[in-house]
Amino acid sequence: IVLTQSPGTLSLSPGERATLSCRASQSVSNSYLAWYQQKPGQAPRLLIYGASSRATGIPDRFSGSGSGTDFTLTISRLEPEDLAVYYCQHYGRSPLYTFGQGTKLEIK
Amino acid sequence: EVQLVESGGGLIQPGGSLRLSCAASGFTVSRYHMTWVRQAPGKGLEWVSIFYSGGSTYSADSVKGRFIISRDNSTNTLYLHMNSLRAEDTALYYCARGLRSDYFDSWGQGTLVTVSS
Repeated sequence: IVLTQSPGTLSLSPGERATLSCRASQSVSNSYLAWYQQKPGQAPRLLIYGASSRATGIPDRFSGSGSGTDFTLTISRLEPEDLAVYYCQHYGRSPLYTFGQGTKLEIK
Repeated sequence: EVQLVESGGGLIQPGGSLRLSCAASGFTVSRYHMTWVRQAPGKGLEWVSIFYSGGSTYSADSVKGRFIISRDNSTNTLYLHMNSLRAEDTALYYCARGLRSDYFDSWGQGTLVTVSS
């Protein structure tokens, strides 16, 4: 399974809403789609698992949705600290774990 | 507090071997699925290998037969034994854990491996 994220780069202003897409090359189980945030110079951090469940300590500004082949990470009310690259990840059969190529979120 | 601290990276010649360590604290590694994920300079994330809590292990095709993942319960440490290293193995190597098999909820800060002559 190949995960394709779009757009490659997203440039928005504080307070705006960000919509990040992750498309799978074939239908996947909702239960096995996760999203991570990687800020510059830092390790990835889990945001969303099971397509829509927020990880511990993640603000409710972050939400995940989708099913089948199309999944979305939405960040409402952008803050400057949201500057990061966002990755989707799937757990499957071959390969076991696949990451999308990432969406870079820039804050104007 | 959960902590994962990787070490063992460095500059190594092509064809060489290296062992990465991931020292865990704040939890017991044997009760979690422990994995290695790498990130080449300026690139995205690539899964490398996993040690499931039940004892089974799996690796990506790109490293199969060259990398071996292991776990030492007595020291609460995860390892990645890397052999026949290639230039394309150059990356920051992260270890991470998961209570469920489908995602990873805590990550270390990574250790850099550079394969170059």
